Amino acid sequence: GAVVSQHPSWVICKSGTSVKIECRSLDFQATTMFWYRQFPKQSLMLMATSNEGSKATYEQGVEKDKFLINHASLTLSTLTVTSAHPEDSSFYICSAAGGGFLYEQYFGPGTRLTVT
Amino acid sequence: GDSVTQMEGPVTLSEEAFLTINCTYTATGYPSLFWYVQYPGEGLQLLLKATKADDKGSNKGFEATYRKETTSFHLEKGSVQVSDSAVYFCALLARAGGTSYGKLTFGQGTILTVHP
Repeated sequence: GAVVSQHPSWVICKSGTSVKIECRSLDFQATTMFWYRQFPKQSLMLMATSNEGSKATYEQGVEKDKFLINHASLTLSTLTVTSAHPEDSSFYICSAAGGGFLYEQYFGPGTRLTVT
Repeated sequence: GDSVTQMEGPVTLSEEAFLTINCTYTATGYPSLFWYVQYPGEGLQLLLKATKADDKGSNKGFEATYRKETTSFHLEKGSVQVSDSAVYFCALLARAGGTSYGKLTFGQGTILTVHP
């Protein structure tokens, strides 16, 4: 149990375009989802926390207009990188918690974004 | 704020060697502690966890004990295998108030390479 999927697993897009990444909890209801960014050989940086049906809470320094997060249902959250630039290239990982943000997080496999 | 410090890597061992990866933390109150493992190109997998002082988490031959007096959660394995080669992250989930409440804080990660 507690499986989280991400789609796509990798994506290449051109500079200036937008790309959407999906995060799904397959076998439980995720009241809270988290989006992380990981640079090569570095740790995970929390970007934002979202609760189903509410606006996401962004960490300091993360541009909410650039990284749009939607958590429309208890099994799906999306991250849209708008007007992507090469510096947005990174590994994006989502996680989901079933009982709220104090409960164990289950991580997705990650999405590799490359902006050319 | 909360923080997690891991021993610097990379760590290179021969198969069947003993492994220790040190992890210390700073947090308000009594956090939950985790070890996650990340294989190349993949997301994070929970390896083990401990939710209160003196708890010992264990899984797949790995162990870690929540030491409140030394604020540590060191990862150990008696005999490593080539398949254990991965990046290991120590993390804490803050359960007390403050800006880190409900958030996972990760250490910088330790790269482990095991040679046959």
